Amino acid sequence: AQSVTQLGSHVSVSEGALVLLRCNYSSSVPPYLFWYVQYPNQGLQLLLKYTSAATLVKGINGFEAEFKKSETSFHLTKPSAHMSDAAEYFCAVSDTAGGYNKLIFGAGTRLAVHP
Amino acid sequence: EADIYQTPRYLVIGTGKKITLECSQTMGHDKMYWYQQDPGMELHLIHYSYGVNSTEKGDLSSESTVSRIRTEHFPLTLESARPSHTSQYLCASSEELVGNEQFFGPGTRLTVL
Repeated sequence: AQSVTQLGSHVSVSEGALVLLRCNYSSSVPPYLFWYVQYPNQGLQLLLKYTSAATLVKGINGFEAEFKKSETSFHLTKPSAHMSDAAEYFCAVSDTAGGYNKLIFGAGTRLAVHP
Repeated sequence: EADIYQTPRYLVIGTGKKITLECSQTMGHDKMYWYQQDPGMELHLIHYSYGVNSTEKGDLSSESTVSRIRTEHFPLTLESARPSHTSQYLCASSEELVGNEQFFGPGTRLTVL
């Protein structure tokens, strides 16, 4: 069965610094992988997704993620953090067994950005 | 504009009351989902539907029930609310194809006193 592990429940960076949020997955089949962002009291918004077309995926708001099969990782990065990036970030893998389309979420990483 | 809506956004209610959380989408999606999310925690799938008259229980056991009479509408009902039901409930929808992303509503934050 698919699973997702996000290393670090809280990450704090300075404004302008590199953002790195870690995600490792477990999947017995080629995975579909997603990063979502959640702002306080809101739903989840898709940042980017990996569907095997390219290993480096660019998303919205300057974020990107690289799929590394050998490391079973899909880490999210942004070169320069902005105050508005402070939010909860969730990595997810699509459970496609049986033709379903369920998402398995990681526990989330809360990103804090300080001046 | 295609979107997914949830009402109410916030609900505070007493123990024993029956409640229905509404979810509607104008995206034309067949698949819809309900997730439960406790503060600062991951999301857990509690119900999903592949289309009209299709409902399935998710990975997390829930005392709630759902119905899917119309494609665009996927309400969640609690017959008798309890404090343990206090949580955020998120509705989502997706296209038919496997691997497509899910689109989320803004959520309903439920507090049962």
